[in-house]
Amino acid sequence: AQSVTQPDIHITVSEGASLELRCNYSYGATPYLFWYVQSPGQGLQLLLKYFSGDTLVQGIKGFEAEFKRSQSSFNLRKPSVHWSDAAEYFCAVGAADSSYKLIFGSGTRLLVRP
Amino acid sequence: ETGVTQSPTHLIKTRGQQVTLRCSSQSGHNTVSWYQQALGQGPQFIFQYYREEENGRGNFPPRFSGLQFPNYSSELNVNALELDDSALYLCASSGQGGPDTQYFGPGTRLTVL
Repeated sequence: AQSVTQPDIHITVSEGASLELRCNYSYGATPYLFWYVQSPGQGLQLLLKYFSGDTLVQGIKGFEAEFKRSQSSFNLRKPSVHWSDAAEYFCAVGAADSSYKLIFGSGTRLLVRP
Repeated sequence: ETGVTQSPTHLIKTRGQQVTLRCSSQSGHNTVSWYQQALGQGPQFIFQYYREEENGRGNFPPRFSGLQFPNYSSELNVNALELDDSALYLCASSGQGGPDTQYFGPGTRLTVL
C-alpha cells in the first residue's frame, strides 16, 4: 500500500539557518509528489510538486526538493529560513488509481528561533 | 489565494445531528476532493467527484456522502455525527480527473459536542 513517512514530528532551526525536512514514500511506480505548508487554522498551500523530469524542483518562497528514486525520498530544503516559515509541512504522494487522491504524511512542525 | 472557498468557517454540532459543508471550486476545475484532518494529523481522503460522479472513496462510512453540482461546486454531508468527526474538513479542486495539482480551500472546522 502506498504511504508517506515524515520521520520528524518537530524541527527547530534558527532564523537564517538552512533547513531540510525529510519525506520517504512507498510507491510501486513513478510517484507524483507534493509538499504543502499549513499555517495554524489554515488550509494547505502548495510549495512545489514533482511529476517527472528534473529531479530537483524549485518551489515558492525559496523552497526546493529533490526526488531520489533509489532512496524513495523527496526531501524539502531551504538555504536560509525566515521567521515566517514557521508552520506545519506535509509531504504527499498521488495515489495510483483513477482519483490520484493525495496520501499525506503526518507532518513536520517547523519552529524558528529568532 | 487558490480561488477555492468553503463555508461555513466554523461549525458546532451535537452528537447525532447532521451537517452539510460547502465548497466552491477554482474557476475551470471539474474535480473536487474532500479530506478530513484530525488535530495533529495529516489530511485523510474522504472521496472525490469528477464531473458530478464519485471517482474514488477513502475508508469512511456511508454516513459521509457528497454531491457535485453542474457548476462544479460541492457538498459534504455527514449524518449521525460522532465525537470523532470533530476535525478540519478540507476541499481541494483540480483541473482534470488525473494527476493534477490539487488546490485547497481554507477548510471548515467542525466541532461535535
